[in-house]
Amino acid sequence: KAGVTQTPRYLIKTRGQQVTLSCSPISGHRSVSWYQQTPGQGLQFLFEYFSETQRNKGNFPGRFSGRQFSNSRSEMNVSTLELGDSALYLCASSPGMIQVNNSPLHFGNGTRLTVT
Amino acid sequence: GESVGLHLPTLSVQEGDNSIINCAYSNSASDYFIWYKQESGKGPQFIIDIRSNMDKRQGQRVTVLLNKTVKHLSLQIAATQPGDSAVYFCAENTEYGNKLVFGAGTILRVKS
Repeated sequence: KAGVTQTPRYLIKTRGQQVTLSCSPISGHRSVSWYQQTPGQGLQFLFEYFSETQRNKGNFPGRFSGRQFSNSRSEMNVSTLELGDSALYLCASSPGMIQVNNSPLHFGNGTRLTVT
Repeated sequence: GESVGLHLPTLSVQEGDNSIINCAYSNSASDYFIWYKQESGKGPQFIIDIRSNMDKRQGQRVTVLLNKTVKHLSLQIAATQPGDSAVYFCAENTEYGNKLVFGAGTILRVKS
């Protein structure tokens, strides 16, 4: 079974631009979560989608948004990029509720975003 | 943000020794805990998990201990190998859903 796939692997953007990152979950997984990882703040939860609906959201500004498609693939968008948005963005998938399904989150290798 | 990640402690061990990585979690209501391993250039990889109704769980070469009284989690790695060198994160699940709150992480360095 293929793992969680994130594209692109690397991105360089200029302050003020917007960016879209893509995530394909493991086949059969309906829950997709997004995390931001930085050296200063560590791993922080952005949001989670399940069956095309946002189920939970972290403490990030409205510039960060996401969506999920009917095939469970997900995208996240960051508008009006700031230097501080430079980070590794990680996507994780799970069949459903991790405690109910007894299945932890499986992470992709991330998209490294650099804002200049 | 909710994850504290300013300074990563480092644990250096000799190959073949046992390693113990510690984690203090934040929410006494958390009822599910996971350890992840992250190698350079990769995403976090699941190692082992434990529910709050247990205090110990064993996997292959790894053991997780949970002390709810002091909100402490530990990961024990037996016979540590060079391939175990990575950053290790504990994570807690505090809500109905899949949101994880991660600890700061610990760097494990294995000396040959």
